[in-house]
Amino acid sequence: AQTVTQSQPEMSVQEAETVTLSCTYDTSESNYYLFWYKQPPSRQMILVIRQEAYKQQNATENRFSVNFQKAAKSFSLKISDSQLGDTAMYFCARNAGGTSYGKLTFGQGTILTVHP
Amino acid sequence: NAGVMQNPRHLVRRRGQEARLRCSPMKGHSHVYWYRQLPEEGLKFMVYLQKENIIDESGMPKERFSAEFPKEGPSILRIQQVVRGDSAAYFCASSPPRTSRPEQYFGPGTRLTVT
Repeated sequence: AQTVTQSQPEMSVQEAETVTLSCTYDTSESNYYLFWYKQPPSRQMILVIRQEAYKQQNATENRFSVNFQKAAKSFSLKISDSQLGDTAMYFCARNAGGTSYGKLTFGQGTILTVHP
Repeated sequence: NAGVMQNPRHLVRRRGQEARLRCSPMKGHSHVYWYRQLPEEGLKFMVYLQKENIIDESGMPKERFSAEFPKEGPSILRIQQVVRGDSAAYFCASSPPRTSRPEQYFGPGTRLTVT
């Protein structure tokens, strides 16, 4: 089975500091997309950032950036200047890749708590 | 531009009843996905549909579950003869046509409770 693994069940960080969430994945495809989604207590799934596997440049969205290591199949999320509103469950996901944009495979999630 | 709409937000059914969950994709989106989230777990893929076609149902349980996305109207996830183990949050997501961006946009979910 092609899996996505988040090895950190819970993380905590002080407001304004930086935190990194880890994700590794398995795939036999050469072209695919990776995503980080945020699920706050409202349970709404919110897209945070995406990375295209054929692009070597790491994606960045404001305070969120990724460290994509294709050979190692690693895709970590860095949150800079953490804010209280960043408290949420974070899920790493990979799409099916190849010619299909279909289903997403999610990791187990990391609960992030930002402390004042 | 309205996001993905799901209704109802909360649904309570007794064991043996039927549950019908509805999803309206974002405007311009032709692909719909259903995922299930059990408590304290990540989302698990169930089915991927385009208008009038099931593209991938590899995550659907073999019995009692069905999905459709008709030419007109919302996508429907139907669970017949619900059991306690069906209690979960069910999320619908949509994405634009394949020539565009592949990310999926999620609705707020339907929380199903089976008593």
